[in-house]
Amino acid sequence: QLQLQESGPGLVKPSETLSLICIVSGGSISSGTSYWGWIRQPPGRGLEWIGNIYHSGSTYYNTSLQSRVTISVDTSKNQFSLKLSSLTAADTAVYYCARAWGWLRPYDYWGQGTLVTVSS
Amino acid sequence: DIQMTQSPPSVSASVGDRVTITCRASQGVSNWLAWYQQKPGKAPQLLIYTASTLQSGVPSRFSGSGSGTDFTLTISNLQPEDFATYYCQQTNSLPLTFGGGTKVEIK
Repeated sequence: QLQLQESGPGLVKPSETLSLICIVSGGSISSGTSYWGWIRQPPGRGLEWIGNIYHSGSTYYNTSLQSRVTISVDTSKNQFSLKLSSLTAADTAVYYCARAWGWLRPYDYWGQGTLVTVSS
Repeated sequence: DIQMTQSPPSVSASVGDRVTITCRASQGVSNWLAWYQQKPGKAPQLLIYTASTLQSGVPSRFSGSGSGTDFTLTISNLQPEDFATYYCQQTNSLPLTFGGGTKVEIK
């Protein structure tokens, strides 16, 4: 059974850079046609797609965040990462990592999510 | 970007009821439409993909239909564990986008 687990700081200061890691277990991040993604959800609001990465390193970002987002993959550690720069209070959200089983496929496995609060 | 609009934003229903949620895309997405269920404090769970295909393990009381711009999620014989928020997502093109959600509440 594939499992994903986010890790990272729960509190980050405005203007700083958020760094989150998603550790994948129960399967290889390099296997098959899986794409690995980040999605966020501000408190009490809906879901926003941040971006996807393939194990080759190809990345796809939401145009609304593209200038601030970097997603990378470390196949040796079976994990992928999110960096979001120039944070503001509007970036406060629960951040989820997830797996899509193919190109433009929905997410069938999700991490439990991690709340990130941007505040001084 | 493709905008996804769900209606209603919330619905009150009783156990045993039939509930219908609609999702409209601002442009055609063929059948590249997924539905998720989210309970408070939990990650979304995939229910349906390609508009009408039930994800493994999802009860058959959930069904989806539609293509192009208009889609429907139907829950027949609503069960206590079905009270949650439901989201649609288009996977036709990037950026992937979600609807605003529909909360199914207990009447």
